[in-house]
Amino acid sequence: DAGVIQSPRHEVTEMGQEVTLRCKPISGHDYLFWYRQTMMRGLELLIYFNNNVPIDDSGMPEDRFSAKMPNASFSTLKIQPSEPRDSAVYFCASGHRSYGYTFGSGTRLTVV
Amino acid sequence: GNSVTQMEGPVTLSEEAFLTINCTYTATGYPSLFWYVQYPGEGLQLLLKATKADDKGSNKGFEATYRKETTSFHLEKGSVQVSDSAVYFCALSDLGSARQLTFGSGTQLTVLP
Repeated sequence: DAGVIQSPRHEVTEMGQEVTLRCKPISGHDYLFWYRQTMMRGLELLIYFNNNVPIDDSGMPEDRFSAKMPNASFSTLKIQPSEPRDSAVYFCASGHRSYGYTFGSGTRLTVV
Repeated sequence: GNSVTQMEGPVTLSEEAFLTINCTYTATGYPSLFWYVQYPGEGLQLLLKATKADDKGSNKGFEATYRKETTSFHLEKGSVQVSDSAVYFCALSDLGSARQLTFGSGTQLTVLP
């Protein structure tokens, strides 16, 4: 089991550019979460999916952020246009029922 | 709504000292409780879990007991090592709220040799 796979590990982009973060969850997991982590705000839930359907996106900061899960093995988080305040580590996590959730290694995003 | 409150850090201990990190929670349903650990530059790893009252989760010498009467899930270890230095997060998953995972703010632990 390769775990939750996120790409890229690091992303540096200029303000105004589009950024796409990718996540491959663990096979068989029916929940997928996107989190953002910063020193100031800690861990913030952005959105989560159940069986590929978005359930709660109330944590998405604004319309510049969007997330999709076209199938059970892939999800994307897109920021368009990106801003310096979006700089953070973005984590994807997947899980099944109440047995805990497995996190990916994260994508460190820097917007300059 | 659901919430998790952790003891404020940072916590600094000497090697072989006893560790307690306090965690209390508020939930509307019947939550499962978790401790996650995050080492520098890495993602969060599940350390231990408990799914019902009086359950004890344990792993790598760490323990936590689900106390419904005090709504607590304190993390303990009898003898910490330098390699335990990390950030520890308490979390709950409420079975009544579509399994959203709620985290505490994290506690930074540093163990000195």
